[in-house]
Amino acid sequence: DAGVTQSPTHLIKTRGQQVTLRCSPKSGHDTVSWYQQALGQGPQFIFQYYEEEERQRGNFPDRFSGHQFPNYSSELNVNALLLGDSALYLCASSFVDWGTGDYNEQFFGPGTRLTVL
Amino acid sequence: AQKITQTQPGMFVQEKEAVTLDCTYDTSDQSYGLFWYKQPSSGEMIFLIYQGSYDEQNATEGRYSLNFQKARKSANLVISASQLGDSAMYFCAMREGYGNKLVFGAGTILRVKS
Repeated sequence: DAGVTQSPTHLIKTRGQQVTLRCSPKSGHDTVSWYQQALGQGPQFIFQYYEEEERQRGNFPDRFSGHQFPNYSSELNVNALLLGDSALYLCASSFVDWGTGDYNEQFFGPGTRLTVL
Repeated sequence: AQKITQTQPGMFVQEKEAVTLDCTYDTSDQSYGLFWYKQPSSGEMIFLIYQGSYDEQNATEGRYSLNFQKARKSANLVISASQLGDSAMYFCAMREGYGNKLVFGAGTILRVKS
């Protein structure tokens, strides 16, 4: 049973460029969340997707956008890259009981390490 | 105000001993969940254990147990019989409300000594 997978593993971009990161959730999970983890800090929530719609969004600018596909996989797009966007980008998947809003597990992928020069 | 507070930036423990990593949280919701993750130097966040706010029993998963004290709003992680492979960063996180995001603490670095 494959866990959460992400691609690419590492990425180097220059300021002003655009980047797309990809994520496939764990089998049986239908909700995907993206987090940004700067060096030495805890992950910060970017947004969450369910049924191909953005359900929640953290305090990130519109340069950060995403998409979820019918097979539950997801993409994170970042436009007009800044030096401060350099971070580990983590994708997490879960199965949310949207009747109660509960979930008791959220599994993370290995992350994509983005370096902006 | 901080939602999740981990007051121990770093901890040392002798191999085979038990260690407790502290976590306090702040919420006014009745329904919430508490998670602990391990992050080795490779970067992957490994899910360890979950405690729901309505769970009466403390959660346990192998060598990991969660000491849940609801009135004190604390959710400490206890690792028994520490192993060298337990050396990593440990994060406490909380989900509050309906289907909501996880909010993470600043983490605690654990070093296991042989």
